[in-house]
Amino acid sequence: EPEVTQTPSHQVTQMGQEVILRCVPISNHLYFYWYRQILGQKVEFLVSFYNNEISEKSEIFDDQFSVERPDGSNFTLKIRSTKLEDSAMYFCASSLWVNSSEAPRTDTQYFGPGTRLTVL
Amino acid sequence: RKEVEQDPGPFNVPEGATVAFNCTYSNSASQSFFWYRQDCRKEPKLLMSVYSSGNEDGRFTAQLNRASQYISLLIRDSKLSDSATYLCVVCKSRAAGNKLTFGGGTRVLVKP
Repeated sequence: EPEVTQTPSHQVTQMGQEVILRCVPISNHLYFYWYRQILGQKVEFLVSFYNNEISEKSEIFDDQFSVERPDGSNFTLKIRSTKLEDSAMYFCASSLWVNSSEAPRTDTQYFGPGTRLTVL
Repeated sequence: RKEVEQDPGPFNVPEGATVAFNCTYSNSASQSFFWYRQDCRKEPKLLMSVYSSGNEDGRFTAQLNRASQYISLLIRDSKLSDSATYLCVVCKSRAAGNKLTFGGGTRVLVKP
């Protein structure tokens, strides 16, 4: 069964450093997302991406964050200058949308295993 | 009011028993509803989508009440492997590209 993959599984960085989290979405999916989950808290939406553009972003996704699809398979989240409060599990997700009432429901988002980011 | 609210639990359930829990959502315009399951320090995994007429998948039954803005999940014949956190998830649109809004999760512990 196709799945979303993420690397690295755990990233430790110093405050102020830049980090890039990598994701490989499911191959025929068109929409890509990043979410984060601070330990003990709920999963929070960061950004969605379609056709090489941001579709929607949350208040969390400020100028320190950026996303990119550098090639046909990878989807990255960059944090330019990490803060202590950026420590969280970051999940990538992808979905496929077929705009047809007869198509099976394809708005489901499938999540990768996550990257645990620790900022020291 | 929180966008999606859940009883955090834990619900301690004897193996073989039935457990049910709800979540409430604040945005009456929400269009898509899901239950995800999350194991400790793992990613959310789709358990089931929730349809207006209610739906069943094996031992799991989901109901949607739009008038009262709540979604329920019932687990019959609980297994030890059902121990997890169950996340209620709401989306404002059926179209892709829209954010999922998660509840804080309901923790279920199934015990022998």
